[in-house]
Amino acid sequence: DTGVSQDPRHKITKRGQNVTFRCDPISEHNRLYWYRQTLGQGPEFLTYFQNEAQLEKSRLLSDRFSAERPKGSFSTLEIQRTEQGDSAMYLCASSTGTLLTDTQYFGPGTRLTVL
Amino acid sequence: GQQVMQIPQYQHVQEGEDFTTYCNSSTTLSNIQWYKQRPGGHPVFLIQLVKSGEVKKQKRLTFQFGEAKKNSSLHITATQTTDVGTYFCAGSRLYNQAGTALIFGKGTTLSVSS
Repeated sequence: DTGVSQDPRHKITKRGQNVTFRCDPISEHNRLYWYRQTLGQGPEFLTYFQNEAQLEKSRLLSDRFSAERPKGSFSTLEIQRTEQGDSAMYLCASSTGTLLTDTQYFGPGTRLTVL
Repeated sequence: GQQVMQIPQYQHVQEGEDFTTYCNSSTTLSNIQWYKQRPGGHPVFLIQLVKSGEVKKQKRLTFQFGEAKKNSSLHITATQTTDVGTYFCAGSRLYNQAGTALIFGKGTTLSVSS
């Protein structure tokens, strides 16, 4: 399978714990995005990488959130001191293309439940 | 900030009936993308529209992009049970002239009874 993969698929944690998610994009894609989706809502943009550079972060990304893409390939999203409001599906997407035709392909997501 | 609105939020149809979902943006879009998400699944890319007034067809699905590039629609002819899911439109917003973030609508959830 050459699609976007994410690990783990499900994570249950207690409030206050730290969690880290991993995303492996499609191999030739240089752009990587993180989104968050809650029930009944569309995905909300969190942050974006062009190769290893983090070029934009949403206001949704509080100081407890950090994302890295150290070698321009896989990316990690860490949430420190988790809160119940962090419970959501965290989606990763990757793309390659021009500014006007940047089709994004989504991974299966990591579903986080904070107890 | 930029917003993308979709209506209706829910639609139930009998198999064989047509279905349409509408998408409106508060600002002009560089392009619009449509995704389908099955229950428990992740968004799957359907199509991208770039040109003003563009119309594209995929079998029973017809996608339109408005002349002002602020609205779009997805029309499904003769729905089937396999069409069940949530359909999202997403407008592109340029970031730093180096990439795009998708601004998603809340989606239209389609249910089909046979």
